[in-house]
Amino acid sequence: QVQLQESGPRLVKPSQTLSLICNVSGGSISGSGYYWSWIRQHPGKGLEWIGFIYYSGSTFHNPSLKSRVTISLDTSQNHFSLKLASVTVADTAVYYCARVHSSGYIGHWGQGTLVTVSS
Amino acid sequence: EIVLTQSPGTLSLSPGDRATLSCRASQSVTSFLAWYVQKPGQAPSLLIYGASSRATGISDRFSGSGSGTDFSLTISRLEPEDFAVYYCQQYGHSPHTFGGGTKVDIK
Repeated sequence: QVQLQESGPRLVKPSQTLSLICNVSGGSISGSGYYWSWIRQHPGKGLEWIGFIYYSGSTFHNPSLKSRVTISLDTSQNHFSLKLASVTVADTAVYYCARVHSSGYIGHWGQGTLVTVSS
Repeated sequence: EIVLTQSPGTLSLSPGDRATLSCRASQSVTSFLAWYVQKPGQAPSLLIYGASSRATGISDRFSGSGSGTDFSLTISRLEPEDFAVYYCQQYGHSPHTFGGGTKVDIK
């Protein structure tokens, strides 16, 4: 059973870069058939898809986040990461990593980590 | 971007009742629609994919239907653990988008 776990700083200052890692166990991120994704949820609100990366390195991110998002894979560590640049208080949210079936539905989620943007 | 509108925002029901949740898309997503449940303090989890296929281990009390722009999730008999928030997600068009959620609470 694949498991995902987010890690990274819980507090980030405005204008800095939010950086998170998703450690994957029980499955390889190098295999085909899945995308590796980041989703966030603002406090008390709904879900927002940030983007995903395929094992080949192809990425896609939500245009609403413009060019602030970088998603990358580290196959040697079996983890993938998220960097969100130039954060503001509006980026305060619970960030989830997830494994996405190749057709697009999310089969496995990490437990989520709350990242607060504050000075 | 495809907008998913879920209704109602809140559904107040009793254990044993039947629940019907709606998800409407701003344009066709064919059958590329999933439903998730989120309990307080937890990550969402997959219930239904492909509009009507139950995920592994999901009770047959849960059923999904619809195609194109109109979808529904039905819970045939509510159990105490079913009182939660339900989200639909379309993955037919990028960016993938989620509905705003329907909260099923105890009447």
